[in-house]
Amino acid sequence: EDQVTQSPEALRLQEGESSSLNCSYTVSGLRGLFWYRQDPGKGPEFLFTLYSAGEEKEKERLKATLTKKESFLHITAPKPEDSATYLCAVHPRGTSYGKLTFGQGTILTVHP
Amino acid sequence: GAGVSQSPSNKVTEKGKDVELRCDPISGHTALYWYRQSLGQGLEFLIYFQGNSAPDKSGLPSDRFSAERTGGSVSTLTIQRTQQEDSAVYLCASSLAGGGGETQYFGPGTRLLVL
Repeated sequence: EDQVTQSPEALRLQEGESSSLNCSYTVSGLRGLFWYRQDPGKGPEFLFTLYSAGEEKEKERLKATLTKKESFLHITAPKPEDSATYLCAVHPRGTSYGKLTFGQGTILTVHP
Repeated sequence: GAGVSQSPSNKVTEKGKDVELRCDPISGHTALYWYRQSLGQGLEFLIYFQGNSAPDKSGLPSDRFSAERTGGSVSTLTIQRTQQEDSAVYLCASSLAGGGGETQYFGPGTRLLVL
């Protein structure tokens, strides 16, 4: 069974304190891995798509990396406005084209 | 450009009533998806539409749930005889095509509360 596990469940950082969020996945094959940000009361906002091990993508203070078993979302010098829930999802091979499997998310809080 | 829109934003209903939730995808996107997000749970896939193909209904939790997509654009998710466990946020997403690995863009969701 395809599984996605995110850790930690919650992370509290001071402004400027860099850290990483982890997304471990178990799938028979990977079509794509997606990172989303979700603010309270809103829908998930797309951040990155990664397709193959070794791939990296960056956007402002965020950098996503991918290995064969996990993905990391690195946050450099975070600001309070980076506070949100970060969701990881995988699109396994051999499944419906539409079916993403999501992790439970990491709730990030950045204190000023 | 305009993103995915959903209506209503919030819906409160009584147990046993039927509800309809609407999704308007991004213009030009041929694939449309419905997910459910319950308190403390991750996003759960419900149904997927791609063009004129038969929808993938494998995630619908019971036969009280149904969805249709008219004219390849707007979609309606219908829940009949609502139960309290149906209370959740219902999210719609769309993608340019459904070829696998496509990025899905989400709407703001409809928050459903069944009393």
